Amino acid sequence: EVRLVESGGGLVKPGGSLRLSCVASGLTFTNAWMSWVRQAPGKGLEWVGRIKSKTDGETAESAAPVQGRFTISRDDSKNTLFLDMNSLKAEDTAIYYCTTESFSWGQGTPVTVSS
Amino acid sequence: DTVLTQTPLSSPVTLGQPASISCRSSQSLIYSDGNTYLNWLHQRPGQPPRLLIYKISNRFSGVPDRFSGSGAGTDFTLKISRVEAEDVGVYYCMQATHLPYTFGQGTKLEIK
Repeated sequence: EVRLVESGGGLVKPGGSLRLSCVASGLTFTNAWMSWVRQAPGKGLEWVGRIKSKTDGETAESAAPVQGRFTISRDDSKNTLFLDMNSLKAEDTAIYYCTTESFSWGQGTPVTVSS
Repeated sequence: DTVLTQTPLSSPVTLGQPASISCRSSQSLIYSDGNTYLNWLHQRPGQPPRLLIYKISNRFSGVPDRFSGSGAGTDFTLKISRVEAEDVGVYYCMQATHLPYTFGQGTKLEIK
């Protein structure tokens, strides 16, 4: 069974930074394309970005609202996906989920950006 | 960006009756490899989303056969043959053919 466990969320002031992590088990992580998806309070799902497997080039793409501020990376030796978030804004407040291209989902980690 | 438009946005359904949700894309979702990366997700209150259907019509592991997906190109449908109480929540279509991936607005299924 695939298991994804996110961590690193919390309360941060506007302009601050956070690093989210997602530890995966039950799958061959090195072959997995991984995504981050977020959900603002009471809102729908929003794709944040994706990183391909190392075999497929390990390239990362992200959505326009976070480009230049968020960076997706992975450490295959630790089966871990990362989301580095900088210059955070109030509108980044959301639950952040990691997902294996929508097949499996973690429980999410909440991020609140507020002064 | 590829816009996915779901209808209806809210669907009150009687237990045991069928339900249907439509998802229309602003452009074709056929990828260069011939596959159409249109998925359906279900989210119960307070829970993460879970995958129901992938690539238009393939039921994910453990998904009951009362759920089915159909469609092609730009028009897709999720059908529930007989709604059960556990089916309440919000249903999303999602496309992974074009970057950025996008989701429909969500359809809230509730029991009458």
